[in-house]
Parts: sequence; structure tokens; C-alpha cells
Amino acid sequence: AQTVTQSQPEMSVQEAETVTLSCTYDTSESDYYLFWYKQPPSRQMILVIRQEAYKQQNATENRFSVNFQKAAKSFSLKISDSQLGDAAMYFCAFFGNEKLTFGTGTRLTIIP
Amino acid sequence: GAVVSQHPSWVICKSGTSVKIECRSLDFQATTMFWYRQFPKQSLMLMATSNEGSKATYEQGVEKDKFLINHASLTLSTLTVTSAHPEDSSFYICSAHRRGGLADFYEQFFGPGTRLTVL
Repeated sequence: AQTVTQSQPEMSVQEAETVTLSCTYDTSESDYYLFWYKQPPSRQMILVIRQEAYKQQNATENRFSVNFQKAAKSFSLKISDSQLGDAAMYFCAFFGNEKLTFGTGTRLTIIP
Repeated sequence: GAVVSQHPSWVICKSGTSVKIECRSLDFQATTMFWYRQFPKQSLMLMATSNEGSKATYEQGVEKDKFLINHASLTLSTLTVTSAHPEDSSFYICSAHRRGGLADFYEQFFGPGTRLTVL
């Protein structure tokens, strides 16, 4: 079974600064996908960024980028130029064995 | 974009009654739909996976007789909470995998969720 661990229950960052959210996972599979989802107060799950395990290049989406270390089974999310709208719960998720497993989440607060 | 809707968004029912929640993919066909449960300030827990025209696959610990899932078409899946009790109160979220998506890419599209309160 796969597990996803987010060791930071809460994080805060000054507006316009950079913050990194940590995620580690455990699996015996070689082919899988990794995701970061954002859940604002509305509770709608929003995909932030995705990474295919077979790709060595780290994914980037505008202000969001990941540091994917396959050997270490680490998948951190970096948010640059943080904005007030980035405030939300962030979930790291692993897709393998036909299902999505979520971490426990990190609540990100943006300080104006 | 791929849109998934859920209905109702919020339901309150009396203990012992059954509640049906619908999940629809509005602009795409979904090969597979998933049902999650989320308790306050917690993560999403997969309850079951449903494929159109076949029986749902339930995760360990999920009572299949209590949480009935029907995937009637490629755009509709329903979750029925039978004989609901206060401990079933939770936020239920569905997601759908788009049929015909890129073979080397995987993404689930999430519905907005349904808040169930059992009195």
C-alpha cells in the first residue's frame, strides 16, 4: 500500500515571498503520478501541479514548481511570489495501483 | 475544461433515512468515478471506485451495504447512504477520470462536494 506524508500541518508566508511545502511518499511501484491539490474554503479541489514519475524534469506551472526526488520519494511544492489567493489547504497526492492517496494536508496562511 | 457536478450540495436528513448523492461529468465521459469522504480538517479518504456498468470496488472498512454506489452511465454515478446515522455526517466528494484521455497522463476531476448532516 502506498502512503503519503505531509509533515507540516500549518505553514505561513509573507505575501510576495516564497514558501515550500514538503511531501514524502512510500511505494513499491515504479510507474505513478504525483499531484498537488489546493482546497480553498469552498472545499472545491483544484489541481495545482502534476508530475509523472518517469519524467526527470521537475514540473512548473507559473508560480508553482515542484522538486521531485524519485530516489528519496520526495515531492515538495514551491510557491513563488505568494498571493493572498494562495491561502488554502494543500494536499499532496499519489496515484498508483488505480487509486489516489492523499496526504494529511498543509494549511497555508498568507500574511499581508 | 472538464466539469464535474454534484447534487445536492448540502443535505440534512433524519436518522434512519436514506440519502442519494449524484455525481455528473458535464462535458466528458468518465471511465471511472471515485467517491471520497472528508471529515472536518482532515484529508480525503477514498471510499470506492466505480466503473460504468459494473459493481463498485470498495476500500477496506467501507460498508458496501451502507454506501450503495451505482454507475449507471458514463456521465452519472450515485452514492446512496442507507439508514443514515449521525456518524455518517461528513463531506462527500466525487471525482471522475476522463475517458479517452492521454494514455501517459492521468488526472481526476473533482466535484464541489456534498455536505451531509444527519440529525
